[in-house]
Amino acid sequence: KNEVEQSPQNLTAQEGEFITINCSYSVGISALHWLQQHPGGGIVSLFMLSSGKKKHGRLIATINIQEKHSSLHITASHPRDSAVYICAVGGNSGGSNYKLTFGKGTLLTVNP
Amino acid sequence: DTGVSQDPRHKITKRGQNVTFRCDPISEHNRLYWYRQTLGQGPEFLTYFQNEAQLEKSRLLSDRFSAERPKGSFSTLEIQRTEQGDSAMYLCASSLGAGGFGDTQYFGPGTRLTVL
Repeated sequence: KNEVEQSPQNLTAQEGEFITINCSYSVGISALHWLQQHPGGGIVSLFMLSSGKKKHGRLIATINIQEKHSSLHITASHPRDSAVYICAVGGNSGGSNYKLTFGKGTLLTVNP
Repeated sequence: DTGVSQDPRHKITKRGQNVTFRCDPISEHNRLYWYRQTLGQGPEFLTYFQNEAQLEKSRLLSDRFSAERPKGSFSTLEIQRTEQGDSAMYLCASSLGAGGFGDTQYFGPGTRLTVL
């Protein structure tokens, strides 16, 4: 079983829909990261959070440490949001918070 | 462009050849990371530098792999005697290294290696 599980693996939405991507992890963490990867490989960090909720534009990330679960929400989705969204966790073993363990990613396609 | 850069962007090589990739991090960043990503998978951690010190290597890194960051600036990743299983995207990232519980990593565009 992977340490970081994402769902769904694939998600297709219509423009304007509210989108939720989920991430569950099985290890103790120092922080959780949400990243976006466009075709061709470029990865952009969206959020790093260790508690609560963060918001940036139409993107919202939440984390529940007790339940070891995080969600990434996209409001008013747009075709340019189409990408792979990856959840990654930084460990807290001996302070090794730098080492990220990644989920497999969620492929989001937003149709116009 | 002051982001993380990687060179080359693409490399095609024959099995058994040696290859070397370069990563130039954001200039004030102390930490540098190498990851490998195969098709349909998330990236996997390979190794990590704090300035010039290599602090951890993944068990994924066989003795054919070596990484250096000689002056705490750019880094190189070398793969000797390449195998077809080495075909992947090799990603470099850097971070400031100021966060006590982790810090945002900035990724380069990656080097796509194809071993024939």
